[in-house]
Amino acid sequence: AQSVTQLDSHVSVSEGTPVLLRCNYSSSYSPSLFWYVQHPNKGLQLLLKYTSAATLVKGINGFEAEFKKSETSFHLTKPSAHMSDAAEYFCVVIPDEDSSYKLIFGSGTRLLVRP
Amino acid sequence: NAGVTQTPKFRVLKTGQSMTLLCAQDMNHEYMYWYRQDPGMGLRLIHYSVGEGTTAKGEVPDGYNVSRLKKQNFLLGLESAAPSQTSVYFCASSYVLYGGGDGELFFGEGSRLTVL
Repeated sequence: AQSVTQLDSHVSVSEGTPVLLRCNYSSSYSPSLFWYVQHPNKGLQLLLKYTSAATLVKGINGFEAEFKKSETSFHLTKPSAHMSDAAEYFCVVIPDEDSSYKLIFGSGTRLLVRP
Repeated sequence: NAGVTQTPKFRVLKTGQSMTLLCAQDMNHEYMYWYRQDPGMGLRLIHYSVGEGTTAKGEVPDGYNVSRLKKQNFLLGLESAAPSQTSVYFCASSYVLYGGGDGELFFGEGSRLTVL
């Protein structure tokens, strides 16, 4: 079955330290991969996406993610956390482009940033 | 630019009552979606629409109905609410199906529904 797994339900970092949010997917084909962010009481917003171009993808607010096919991973990173990064982050996959073309959401990782 | 607007933002129902959630988008998108968000489960697709006058079932359609009479509006109805439908509901729209290719999903701010 095609799926996406976010390995941590909660991540806590200090302001100014690096952020790593982990995501693994399973897909028989080359997927499209996304990271969405949800700030408290807000809708989801696209951070970045991978669609078979460059494997290192840069997004908004200094975030980036690297697609590693051999590891079936798409981890989200940021060199230095800011208080405003506190939010919930969703890894999302479109497994393949056939008749079952659809989004699969991970269960989310809540990022806490300590002052 | 309003984007995607959902009304109401909060609602409390008693079991068996009915209600309708309204989603409106001003981006002229063909595709619209209703998702529900439950703790620890990410978002699950309820119904979606690929254009005015069309609707299709998603992953968890039971207990819900939808209509897309106008391109800019997508309505989600609960005919007989159940406590299991307590959730946060998100509407989204896109110009590419599921936001693939060069597209993305644009989300509303959510509607929190509690069924007692």
